[in-house]
Amino acid sequence: NAGVTQTPKFRVLKTGQSMTLLCAQDMNHEYMYWYRQDPGMGLRLIHYSVGEGTTAKGEVPDGYNVSRLKKQNFLLGLESAAPSQTSVYFCASSFQDRGIDEQYFGPGTRLTVT
Amino acid sequence: LAKTTQPISMDSYEGQEVNITCSHNNIATNDYITWYQQFPSQGPRFIIQGYKTKVTNEVASLFIPADRKSSTLSLPRVSLSDTAVYYCLVGGNTGGFKTIFGAGTRLFVKA
Repeated sequence: NAGVTQTPKFRVLKTGQSMTLLCAQDMNHEYMYWYRQDPGMGLRLIHYSVGEGTTAKGEVPDGYNVSRLKKQNFLLGLESAAPSQTSVYFCASSFQDRGIDEQYFGPGTRLTVT
Repeated sequence: LAKTTQPISMDSYEGQEVNITCSHNNIATNDYITWYQQFPSQGPRFIIQGYKTKVTNEVASLFIPADRKSSTLSLPRVSLSDTAVYYCLVGGNTGGFKTIFGAGTRLFVKA
């Protein structure tokens, strides 16, 4: 099993450009999450999904959109990138969304917006 | 949501036992305590989880006192490769997303 994979690993955008980050998991998990991590800080939840076709806002959703058209994929979109969105983005999945369920994380996508 | 407080950083030497304490004064009855480890340029990785008393696995031990207002992650005989950030999380087993990652504790293991 590959676990959780993220595409791309690195990306540089100019202000105003758009892009989509792809997260894929092969563990048949119902729940998927997108986090961002700024230098020296913990992870902050952007959006999450409790199942195919559903999404919900997390702690810092502004400027991002998500879609979960297939159970195994969770896409994060930036419609008009801003320098404040420079960060490392992590995707995660879990069997359920209870506080006791282990989250499996991808390797991250390092995004720089100039 | 139960807020957690951890030391910002800790230093240790190879071969020593490291104990990282997390305070969670507002922990709820159905909340569990979970610890994750994050190496530079990688996503967090689950280490251990417990509800009360002591839990031990091949990587670490977790000590939880009777009042559950704090917990201690114990790493036996650390090595340089244990240098990482360690996150303490508190979450319940009811539905709804409640897990929050704080800033964590940066552990530096020196030779």
